[in-house]
Amino acid sequence: DAKTTQPPSMDCAEGRAANLPCNHSTISGNEYVYWYRQIHSQGPQYIIHGLKNNETNEMASLIITEDRKSSTLILPHATLRDTAVYYCIVRPLGNQFYFGTGTSLTVIP
Amino acid sequence: DVKVTQSSRYLVKRTGEKVFLECVQDMDHENMFWYRQDPGLGLRLIYFSYDVKMKEKGDIPEGYSVSREKKERFSLILESASTNQTSMYLCASSPPRVGAQQETQYFGPGTRLLVL
Repeated sequence: DAKTTQPPSMDCAEGRAANLPCNHSTISGNEYVYWYRQIHSQGPQYIIHGLKNNETNEMASLIITEDRKSSTLILPHATLRDTAVYYCIVRPLGNQFYFGTGTSLTVIP
Repeated sequence: DVKVTQSSRYLVKRTGEKVFLECVQDMDHENMFWYRQDPGLGLRLIYFSYDVKMKEKGDIPEGYSVSREKKERFSLILESASTNQTSMYLCASSPPRVGAQQETQYFGPGTRLLVL
């Protein structure tokens, strides 16, 4: 049940900000936006989530547009260890997660 | 820190064998989940459980069963393994939803199963 659209791959220079976009034009009022990442051969790791306000934690910032139809995950200073597949998930309250195919981010030295 | 552990990182089994995949979480979470992950298909939910001895089918339960005898442990069982069950299996747990607050799922490292 693909509710999000992400570019399949992106590159980012080490030390620069990585901005990962996600379109979720059919999002409804009670659906949250979640971001996870998966480093090769490991389980997905929670990054951040939000409903309509921008959010920031020690890992990243989440910017959600006013109409909530898109969002951007920002890694402020990308490192080589940030190379991973990043998943944007739109999740109704209480329902399961649906992971798509995500964006493969490569951080280049 | 939440810790979700899975019994094996890699497993090789033969067609027709009964396979047990074990998952243990140490955060007293009510909810536990089993997913499989295949290239190009993302993660797909197999089964989940909201309480001990309780289970619910996910999107692709055929060929699988589960057991939750203790709160911290959720087992995935392949009654008769087939080659199309070769996959990466991921376990997750989460606390119960409190009001409108969303619960975050925490994942284990995964078990890569090969069925020959």
